[in-house]
Amino acid sequence: GAGVSQSPSNKVTEKGKDVELRCDPISGHTALYWYRQSLGQGLEFLIYFQGNSAPDKSGLPSDRFSAERTGGSVSTLTIQRTQQEDSAVYLCASSLRLHQETQYFGPGTRLLVL
Amino acid sequence: KNQVEQSPQSLIILEGKNCTLQCNYTVSPFSNLRWYKQDTGRGPVSLTIMTFSENTKSNGRYTATLDADTKQSSLHITASQLSDSASYICVVSGQAGTALIFGKGTTLSVSS
Repeated sequence: GAGVSQSPSNKVTEKGKDVELRCDPISGHTALYWYRQSLGQGLEFLIYFQGNSAPDKSGLPSDRFSAERTGGSVSTLTIQRTQQEDSAVYLCASSLRLHQETQYFGPGTRLLVL
Repeated sequence: KNQVEQSPQSLIILEGKNCTLQCNYTVSPFSNLRWYKQDTGRGPVSLTIMTFSENTKSNGRYTATLDADTKQSSLHITASQLSDSASYICVVSGQAGTALIFGKGTTLSVSS
């Protein structure tokens, strides 16, 4: 596609449930990034992928968060046993190369945990 | 500690007026600095990207400046329009292989 796409655009879930967020980057972009943006806060870096590998997972807020990328394209961010503090907008971005190129952001997934 | 500080936190201006947003950073070593515009409910969109050797870069009515010695950048918006109402985010990149450091953004409201 022409840009980064994310699904679902909105997700409402109950506390304790698992959720899976999907990101489809721009074709040919080797780097993919996940960010979280809580209401009124700046962007919080979660994890990045170079190809299929994620060398630095230290940005993930807890072990309930995991992410994978297969085939060097689509990535999924999974949050297990969701908590109310997980409510935020989860943004995905991709770039041609890691870190040094302009990142193109998707529209985000708005997650609300009740 | 690598940090990016933006000021003001929020700003209200009248349509047609100019404004300047500030970004100070402590990221070292430094590779590049970007300004993003984020409309409400949308993902950020890149406005400019500057390396340490560039002092200024323009994108239409947006002009970014960079002083790598003082570690300061500014984003100047000329003849503001209602559509400029958004959050403007300053992002700094260190050496290759390091994650980007995001500022918390300046929320600009342009009123008629």
